[in-house]
Amino acid sequence: DAKTTQPPSMDCAEGRAANLPCNHSTISGNEYVYWYRQIHSQGPQYIIHGLKNNETNEMASLIITEDRKSSTLILPHATLRDTAVYYCIVTGSARQLTFGSGTQLTVLP
Amino acid sequence: NAGVTQTPKFQVLKTGQSMTLQCAQDMNHEYMSWYRQDPGMGLRLIHYSVGAGITDQGEVPNGYNVSRSTTEDFPLRLLSAAPSQTSVYFCASSSGQRAKNIQYFGAGTRLSVL
Repeated sequence: DAKTTQPPSMDCAEGRAANLPCNHSTISGNEYVYWYRQIHSQGPQYIIHGLKNNETNEMASLIITEDRKSSTLILPHATLRDTAVYYCIVTGSARQLTFGSGTQLTVLP
Repeated sequence: NAGVTQTPKFQVLKTGQSMTLQCAQDMNHEYMSWYRQDPGMGLRLIHYSVGAGITDQGEVPNGYNVSRSTTEDFPLRLLSAAPSQTSVYFCASSSGQRAKNIQYFGAGTRLSVL
């Protein structure tokens, strides 16, 4: 699995968009980018994933650069309930996830 | 919509005791796994299974045993508990399809070994 680099922490004002970056410069052609989040003490929750194209679902948008070396998770209108640790995971395996330290996102009122 | 169910939610053990953490899923997923999470750290893979009767080691397997006799259940056994095994344990399952590898996690078991 490719190594990922994320900032350790970020703040965002409630109601504003939260943009969480992730660098994965060693990503291989068959590796997907996944985002999970973990709200305090709970099990991780899947958010979104993509291979090459930008993706959007009801929770978030995922923007992957053309060279696939970095990506950004966008929460369009952050709420206090979005405060969590966000993990960017790059893997070609259908079955194993390698969790790094993630980004602690704090949404401020 | 039970998803992945873990029991117990909390457990305190004495050093040397053994116990089994239970994990059950009702989504007919092939793939199941166990992770541990120490304070302030990400999750680390202990063991995983790609189907009934098939298990394999993850990153930190020492001190743990698993078996998979049914698709639904994937118990994790601590053979002789040690203080270093104090952690939060998460079970996860997924369908195993690479393009749709969404892993569903249980609520966790918080284990303290004294």
